[in-house]
Amino acid sequence: GESVGLHLPTLSVQEGDNSIINCAYSNSASDYFIWYKQESGKGPQFIIDIRSNMDKRQGQRVTVLLNKTVKHLSLQIAATQPGDSAVYFCAENGQIGTSYGKLTFGQGTILTVHP
Amino acid sequence: DTGVSQDPRHKITKRGQNVTFRCDPISEHNRLYWYRQTLGQGPEFLTYFQNEAQLEKSRLLSDRFSAERPKGSFSTLEIQRTEQGDSAMYLCASSLGATTYNEQFFGPGTRLTVL
Repeated sequence: GESVGLHLPTLSVQEGDNSIINCAYSNSASDYFIWYKQESGKGPQFIIDIRSNMDKRQGQRVTVLLNKTVKHLSLQIAATQPGDSAVYFCAENGQIGTSYGKLTFGQGTILTVHP
Repeated sequence: DTGVSQDPRHKITKRGQNVTFRCDPISEHNRLYWYRQTLGQGPEFLTYFQNEAQLEKSRLLSDRFSAERPKGSFSTLEIQRTEQGDSAMYLCASSLGATTYNEQFFGPGTRLTVL
């Protein structure tokens, strides 16, 4: 029901710790997987993406891991900072051989970083 | 500011009234997307345009909803005879590309409250 949707998974860490946020995706045919960060009152902001033919991709302070066997995606944030506090969403895009239109978002995770 | 812009940022209306939202994408982006986000949920796809053509509509987009992008630049989303269940954040995103994956850039959203 409606109350279930309000109970997002939460992760609380200390500043400087590493954070790992997980996501289970549903469509094994999806071609791209993307992580977005959303701060209160703002639209989602792109963090990093990974294509289905890869299992790891690194960015600045972030790493995305893809395990297609169990349809699992994770976002690792190194040396987490208070400015990283936000809701994090994973999203899927595109099925191989079709148009890359809509994003399908997963459930978000609330990350809180304590100074 | 060269990002995606949306207007208004907030709209309060009474049930049964019509509302219209505007989205201005990043100037060279040929794709424009509309999503809806309710509290505690990830954004849900509504529709998207490639230039002037509306290429896909979600089943969430009832007959009361209509979106246009007449000149392939800005887009409008109209909701007729609003219902309390329409209360949500309406997000617009834009991207380059036609047949391949490209990052979607989101605007700040329009928060609709139907009383």
